[in-house]
Amino acid sequence: EVQLVESGGGLVQPGGSLKVSCAASGFTFSDSGLHWVRQASGKGLEWVGLIEGKPKNYATVYSASVKGRFTISRDDSKNRAYLQMNSLKTEDTAMYYCVTGVTTSGFDSWGQGTLVTVSS
Amino acid sequence: QSVLTQPPSVSAAPGQKVTISCSGSSSNIGNNYVYWYQQLPGTAPKLLIYENNKRPSGIPDRFSGSQSGTSVTLGITGLQTGDEADYYCETWDSSLSVVVFGGGTKLTVL
Repeated sequence: EVQLVESGGGLVQPGGSLKVSCAASGFTFSDSGLHWVRQASGKGLEWVGLIEGKPKNYATVYSASVKGRFTISRDDSKNRAYLQMNSLKTEDTAMYYCVTGVTTSGFDSWGQGTLVTVSS
Repeated sequence: QSVLTQPPSVSAAPGQKVTISCSGSSSNIGNNYVYWYQQLPGTAPKLLIYENNKRPSGIPDRFSGSQSGTSVTLGITGLQTGDEADYYCETWDSSLSVVVFGGGTKLTVL
């Protein structure tokens, strides 16, 4: 069974940093791209970024709203992906989901999300 | 403002059919596969349709997807109260080089 479990969310002050994690199981993690998608309360889905798997040389892509502030990384030996968030803004407050596609080309596997709140 | 445009809300009675549109451009829907997601209240989204019109295992054939030019449509027949949710379209935008989501459509089953 495919599982994605996010952790590390919490309250952080504007301008601060936070690193959230995604623990994966049930599929060949090293071969798979891993995306982060966020959702502010009562709002729609927003794609944050992607880290490709080993076959695509771990390339990363980011949305314009987080480029230069957020960094996605992974540790295939631990089956984990990470989202390092720096220079956080109040508008970064959201539920952050780790997402991948295992059986289809779409986002067929989602974690339960981890809540990040940026507030003073 | 989303790159992909969806109606904010749609409604229909139980047992009826509803369609949800998603319009974009040649840099996204016109040249890339589109995906549809259902998000029930308080839960993570679930993939309903992939590659414009394919259903993942376990998704009933009441759900269908179609594409015409730079627009796609999600169709739901035999509406049930359990279908009340937010629905999102998603694709890759080749000009922006990012994944884009529609703004979402809230379905109410009256």
